[in-house]
Amino acid sequence: DTAVSQTPKYLVTQMGNDKSIKCEQNLGHDTMYWYKQDSKKFLKIMFSYNNKELIINETVPNRFSPKSPDKAHLNLHINSLELGDSAVYFCASSFSLSAGELFFGEGSRLTVL
Amino acid sequence: EDQVTQSPEALRLQEGESSSLNCSYTVSGLRGLFWYRQDPGKGPEFLFTLYSAGEEKEKERLKATLTKKESFLHITAPKPEDSATYLCAVQAGTGNQFYFGTGTSLTVIP
Repeated sequence: DTAVSQTPKYLVTQMGNDKSIKCEQNLGHDTMYWYKQDSKKFLKIMFSYNNKELIINETVPNRFSPKSPDKAHLNLHINSLELGDSAVYFCASSFSLSAGELFFGEGSRLTVL
Repeated sequence: EDQVTQSPEALRLQEGESSSLNCSYTVSGLRGLFWYRQDPGKGPEFLFTLYSAGEEKEKERLKATLTKKESFLHITAPKPEDSATYLCAVQAGTGNQFYFGTGTSLTVIP
Protein backbone atom coordinates (compact mmCIF):
# COMPACT_ATOMS: atom_id res chain seq x y z
CA ASP A 1 0.00 0.00 0.00
CA THR A 2 1.78 3.12 -1.26
CA ALA A 3 2.25 5.82 1.38
CA VAL A 4 2.36 8.81 -0.98
CA SER A 5 0.90 8.21 -4.41
CA GLN A 6 0.74 10.63 -7.29
CA THR A 7 -0.85 10.35 -10.70
CA PRO A 8 -0.13 10.37 -13.50
CA LYS A 9 3.49 9.18 -13.55
CA TYR A 10 4.07 10.62 -17.01
CA LEU A 11 2.53 13.59 -18.84
CA VAL A 12 3.43 14.64 -22.37
CA THR A 13 1.63 17.69 -23.67
CA GLN A 14 1.85 20.67 -25.96
CA MET A 15 2.74 24.22 -24.95
CA GLY A 16 -0.28 26.21 -23.90
CA ASN A 17 -2.24 23.25 -22.57
CA ASP A 18 -3.46 22.82 -18.99
CA LYS A 19 -2.64 19.75 -16.88
CA SER A 20 -3.22 18.46 -13.36
CA ILE A 21 -1.30 16.13 -11.06
CA LYS A 22 -3.00 14.46 -8.12
CA CYS A 23 -1.40 13.39 -4.85
CA GLU A 24 -2.71 11.39 -1.93
CA GLN A 25 -1.03 10.27 1.28
CA ASN A 26 -2.33 7.57 3.63
CA LEU A 27 0.13 8.26 6.45
CA GLY A 28 -2.14 10.55 8.43
CA HIS A 29 0.35 13.41 8.04
CA ASP A 30 -0.65 17.03 8.52
CA THR A 31 1.74 18.59 6.00
CA MET A 32 2.07 18.09 2.25
CA TYR A 33 4.41 19.60 -0.32
CA TRP A 34 5.04 19.99 -4.01
CA TYR A 35 8.65 19.94 -5.18
CA LYS A 36 10.08 20.45 -8.66
CA GLN A 37 13.21 18.51 -9.69
CA ASP A 38 15.08 19.79 -12.70
CA SER A 39 17.38 17.90 -15.04
CA LYS A 40 20.31 18.44 -12.66
CA LYS A 41 18.45 16.69 -9.86
CA PHE A 42 17.95 19.92 -7.92
CA LEU A 43 14.85 19.70 -5.74
CA LYS A 44 13.12 23.03 -5.16
CA ILE A 45 10.07 23.51 -3.02
CA MET A 46 7.05 25.03 -4.69
CA PHE A 47 4.27 24.85 -2.10
CA SER A 48 3.56 23.45 1.31
CA TYR A 49 0.20 22.94 2.98
CA ASN A 50 -0.54 22.24 6.62
CA ASN A 51 -3.99 20.89 7.39
CA LYS A 52 -5.28 22.20 4.08
CA GLU A 53 -3.84 25.68 4.68
CA LEU A 54 -1.21 27.14 2.33
CA ILE A 55 2.00 27.78 4.28
CA ILE A 56 4.77 28.20 1.73
CA ASN A 57 4.32 29.62 -1.73
CA GLU A 58 7.73 30.05 -3.26
CA THR A 59 8.34 32.23 -6.26
CA VAL A 60 6.30 30.14 -8.63
CA PRO A 61 4.36 31.54 -11.61
CA ASN A 62 0.68 31.94 -10.83
CA ARG A 63 -0.01 29.48 -13.65
CA PHE A 64 0.63 26.90 -10.93
CA SER A 65 -2.29 26.51 -8.56
CA PRO A 66 -2.30 23.95 -5.75
CA LYS A 67 -5.50 22.73 -4.13
CA SER A 68 -5.91 20.74 -0.94
CA PRO A 69 -9.46 19.41 -0.55
CA ASP A 70 -8.47 17.67 2.67
CA LYS A 71 -5.24 17.02 4.51
CA ALA A 72 -4.67 13.71 2.71
CA HIS A 73 -4.79 15.24 -0.76
CA LEU A 74 -2.80 17.94 -2.52
CA ASN A 75 -3.32 18.48 -6.21
CA LEU A 76 -1.39 20.69 -8.61
CA HIS A 77 -2.95 22.36 -11.62
CA ILE A 78 -0.81 24.04 -14.24
CA ASN A 79 -2.25 26.44 -16.80
CA SER A 80 -0.76 27.51 -20.12
CA LEU A 81 2.18 25.14 -19.98
CA GLU A 82 5.58 26.38 -21.13
CA LEU A 83 8.71 24.51 -22.24
CA GLY A 84 10.47 25.45 -19.00
CA ASP A 85 7.83 23.63 -16.99
CA SER A 86 9.28 20.31 -18.14
CA ALA A 87 10.58 18.59 -15.01
CA VAL A 88 9.72 15.90 -12.51
CA TYR A 89 7.20 17.04 -9.91
CA PHE A 90 7.27 15.32 -6.53
CA CYS A 91 4.60 15.32 -3.90
CA ALA A 92 5.76 14.75 -0.33
CA SER A 93 4.30 14.66 3.15
CA SER A 94 5.56 15.00 6.71
CA PHE A 95 4.08 14.41 10.13
CA SER A 96 4.04 18.15 10.85
CA LEU A 97 5.48 21.43 9.58
CA SER A 98 8.49 21.11 11.85
CA ALA A 99 9.10 17.41 11.16
CA GLY A 100 12.19 16.88 9.08
CA GLU A 101 11.50 13.49 7.57
CA LEU A 102 9.75 13.84 4.24
CA PHE A 103 7.99 10.98 2.50
CA PHE A 104 8.02 11.39 -1.26
CA GLY A 105 5.83 10.04 -4.01
CA GLU A 106 7.39 8.46 -7.08
CA GLY A 107 7.19 11.64 -9.11
CA SER A 108 5.31 12.83 -12.18
CA ARG A 109 7.49 13.49 -15.21
CA LEU A 110 6.07 16.37 -17.24
CA THR A 111 7.30 16.93 -20.77
CA VAL A 112 6.11 20.02 -22.60
CA LEU A 113 6.63 19.95 -26.38
CA GLU B 1 22.30 33.31 1.04
CA ASP B 2 21.35 29.89 2.37
CA GLN B 3 23.07 27.19 0.42
CA VAL B 4 23.73 23.45 0.36
CA THR B 5 26.58 22.08 -1.77
CA GLN B 6 27.36 18.42 -2.34
CA SER B 7 30.56 16.91 -3.68
CA PRO B 8 31.56 15.12 -5.71
CA GLU B 9 28.79 15.32 -8.31
CA ALA B 10 29.50 11.76 -9.35
CA LEU B 11 31.51 8.94 -7.81
CA ARG B 12 32.40 5.55 -9.21
CA LEU B 13 33.66 2.91 -6.78
CA GLN B 14 34.68 -0.67 -7.08
CA GLU B 15 32.67 -3.02 -4.93
CA GLY B 16 34.26 -3.00 -1.48
CA GLU B 17 36.05 0.34 -2.00
CA SER B 18 35.03 2.63 0.87
CA SER B 19 34.61 6.37 0.39
CA SER B 20 32.81 9.48 1.65
CA LEU B 21 30.32 11.95 0.22
CA ASN B 22 30.36 15.56 1.39
CA CYS B 23 27.57 18.02 2.09
CA SER B 24 28.55 21.55 3.10
CA TYR B 25 25.99 24.13 4.13
CA THR B 26 25.68 27.80 4.89
CA VAL B 27 22.32 28.43 6.53
CA SER B 28 21.04 30.46 9.44
CA GLY B 29 19.39 28.61 12.26
CA LEU B 30 20.05 25.00 11.34
CA ARG B 31 17.29 22.77 12.69
CA GLY B 32 18.42 19.51 11.13
CA LEU B 33 20.42 17.91 8.33
CA PHE B 34 18.96 15.02 6.37
CA TRP B 35 20.31 12.44 3.97
CA TYR B 36 18.10 10.85 1.33
CA ARG B 37 18.69 8.17 -1.28
CA GLN B 38 17.09 8.48 -4.70
CA ASP B 39 16.93 5.60 -7.17
CA PRO B 40 16.28 6.31 -10.87
CA GLY B 41 12.61 6.98 -11.54
CA LYS B 42 11.76 7.07 -7.83
CA GLY B 43 11.22 9.68 -5.16
CA PRO B 44 13.88 10.36 -2.52
CA GLU B 45 13.86 7.95 0.41
CA PHE B 46 14.80 9.14 3.88
CA LEU B 47 18.01 7.75 5.40
CA PHE B 48 19.20 9.85 8.36
CA THR B 49 18.56 12.95 10.44
CA LEU B 50 21.39 14.74 12.28
CA TYR B 51 20.68 17.61 14.64
CA SER B 52 23.93 18.71 16.24
CA ALA B 53 27.66 18.79 15.58
CA GLY B 54 29.35 15.58 16.61
CA GLU B 55 26.28 13.45 16.05
CA GLU B 56 26.62 10.21 14.07
CA LYS B 57 24.03 7.79 12.67
CA GLU B 58 24.58 4.38 11.09
CA LYS B 59 22.57 2.08 8.90
CA GLU B 60 24.13 -1.02 7.35
CA ARG B 61 27.11 0.19 5.27
CA LEU B 62 26.27 3.88 5.68
CA LYS B 63 27.35 6.26 8.42
CA ALA B 64 26.44 9.94 8.53
CA THR B 65 28.36 12.50 10.57
CA LEU B 66 27.83 16.20 11.20
CA THR B 67 30.09 19.16 11.97
CA LYS B 68 29.16 22.82 12.22
CA LYS B 69 29.68 23.39 8.51
CA GLU B 70 29.36 20.03 6.79
CA SER B 71 28.16 16.48 6.87
CA PHE B 72 29.75 13.34 5.53
CA LEU B 73 28.10 10.16 4.36
CA HIS B 74 30.64 7.39 4.73
CA ILE B 75 30.09 4.23 2.70
CA THR B 76 31.98 1.20 3.92
CA ALA B 77 32.61 -1.72 1.56
CA PRO B 78 29.84 -0.66 -0.85
CA LYS B 79 27.86 -3.12 -2.94
CA PRO B 80 26.30 -2.56 -6.38
CA GLU B 81 22.89 -2.15 -4.74
CA ASP B 82 24.20 1.00 -3.03
CA SER B 83 24.28 2.68 -6.44
CA ALA B 84 21.92 5.67 -6.32
CA THR B 85 21.90 9.45 -6.01
CA TYR B 86 22.41 10.60 -2.44
CA LEU B 87 20.79 13.91 -1.54
CA CYS B 88 21.54 16.11 1.41
CA ALA B 89 18.99 18.58 2.78
CA VAL B 90 19.00 21.07 5.61
CA GLN B 91 16.04 22.42 7.51
CA ALA B 92 16.63 25.94 8.73
CA GLY B 93 15.11 29.22 9.81
CA THR B 94 11.92 30.09 11.59
CA GLY B 95 9.87 28.81 8.68
CA ASN B 96 11.45 25.33 8.81
CA GLN B 97 12.48 25.71 5.19
CA PHE B 98 14.13 22.76 3.45
CA TYR B 99 17.14 23.35 1.20
CA PHE B 100 18.33 20.44 -0.92
CA GLY B 101 21.73 19.91 -2.48
CA THR B 102 22.05 18.65 -6.06
CA GLY B 103 23.18 15.23 -4.97
CA THR B 104 26.04 12.83 -5.54
CA SER B 105 25.45 10.10 -8.09
CA LEU B 106 27.14 6.95 -6.78
CA THR B 107 27.91 3.98 -9.01
CA VAL B 108 29.35 0.84 -7.46
CA ILE B 109 30.93 -1.50 -9.99
CA PRO B 110 30.92 -5.25 -9.28
